[in-house]
Amino acid sequence: GENVEQHPSTLSVQEGDSAVIKCTYSDSASNYFPWYKQELGKGPQLIIDIRSNVGEKKDQRIAVTLNKTAKHFSLHITETQPEDSAVYFCAATSLGNQFYFGTGTSLTVIP
Amino acid sequence: EPEVTQTPSHQVTQMGQEVILRCVPISNHLYFYWYRQILGQKVEFLVSFYNNEISEKSEIFDDQFSVERPDGSNFTLKIRSTKLEDSAMYFCASRTPGQGSNYGYTFGSGTRLTVV
Repeated sequence: GENVEQHPSTLSVQEGDSAVIKCTYSDSASNYFPWYKQELGKGPQLIIDIRSNVGEKKDQRIAVTLNKTAKHFSLHITETQPEDSAVYFCAATSLGNQFYFGTGTSLTVIP
Repeated sequence: EPEVTQTPSHQVTQMGQEVILRCVPISNHLYFYWYRQILGQKVEFLVSFYNNEISEKSEIFDDQFSVERPDGSNFTLKIRSTKLEDSAMYFCASRTPGQGSNYGYTFGSGTRLTVV
């Protein structure tokens, strides 16, 4: 089955700096890669996603890049703000069925 | 915005007791899922459910677990005889059929199960 690796496990950045979280996957059949933000006591919330036929997608301060050949995808957050502090999970799936999640990255934005 | 609702938010149970975790998926969704997240670990798939039957389950989902859609709105996860290692956050998710921009995959806010 699919195996998703995520790093770093923790990341601290100064407010206004950029944050980058990277994930790799193993199954070349995976074709959909969402990123979720999880705040304390809440369920994962989708923040951005990318399909395998797209190399990059951007939504305001958040962007995701995908390298199908290398089987890795990354989340980029620019101009970080304290409210960006949370745990971020990447995931991979094919056919929209079960998601395989990464181990999570705890992001702390220092004011 | 439509939500997946889970109850209770926190449940404490004695080892060996049965628990039922409840979920109300988004009304027009047809695929339903349970995931769990042991503290500090990744979110893990348990089971998917479609057309009133299990479509896929992980090795975690053994005979102690069962799922049911007892009526048109609820989707439940039952753990027959809880063990200490069942302590985790349990997330319900649902999605629309077909392949929309994000498969319409929506997670609930979770039920924290503590087995003592």
